[in-house]
Amino acid sequence: GQQLNQSPQSMFIQEGEDVSMNCTSSSIFNTWLWYKQDPGEGPVLLIALYKAGELTSNGRLTAQFGITRKDSFLNISASIPSDVGIYFCAGHPNTGANSKLTFGKGITLSVRP
Amino acid sequence: DGGITQSPKYLFRKEGQNVTLSCEQNLNHDAMYWYRQDPGQGLRLIYYSQIVNDFQKGDIAEGYSVSREKKESFPLTVTSAQKNPTAFYLCASSIEGGSNIQYFGAGTRLSVL
Repeated sequence: GQQLNQSPQSMFIQEGEDVSMNCTSSSIFNTWLWYKQDPGEGPVLLIALYKAGELTSNGRLTAQFGITRKDSFLNISASIPSDVGIYFCAGHPNTGANSKLTFGKGITLSVRP
Repeated sequence: DGGITQSPKYLFRKEGQNVTLSCEQNLNHDAMYWYRQDPGQGLRLIYYSQIVNDFQKGDIAEGYSVSREKKESFPLTVTSAQKNPTAFYLCASSIEGGSNIQYFGAGTRLSVL
């Protein structure tokens, strides 16, 4: 089946630093989503991308839909302690009624004050 | 407020017992999903339903059962056949044929006594 690759599994940064994450696939996706999950809670949508090459921002977060449609990137600028959590990418092929959203395994972000 | 409500937040199961996790949404979404989350494993799809009275197995359906008698409700039963039920369970919903965005509940943590 389709898989999304996110690595490394964990990232540790200093407060105020920028951080970049990427998500890659061997298959083409026509929708890319980025979610954040706080400890003990459900994932919350950060950014949705629907067009190859699209660059979208949400506050300090910026995400891009890769030109090849096989990857996506998330950047967090000027990190703060509340950025701590698990960041998931998700892709959808939009190939028919039975196509489903595929999730990466997530990256756990820690921010040192 | 519109959203997805999962209950209970914490649940304990005894050996040989079936337990049911509740998921209710008032977003008027057609599709609903159940995921299991284990540390480092990401989100794994258990069951999903695109319409009332119909549901499909996901990647790890063994030991679980669901029903979809109402559009708003999609309960998950963890049966005694599921030998390793300890995990964080997430319910989600989405508009069928829409943006592909899934909205999540706050999760239920199931533990075995």
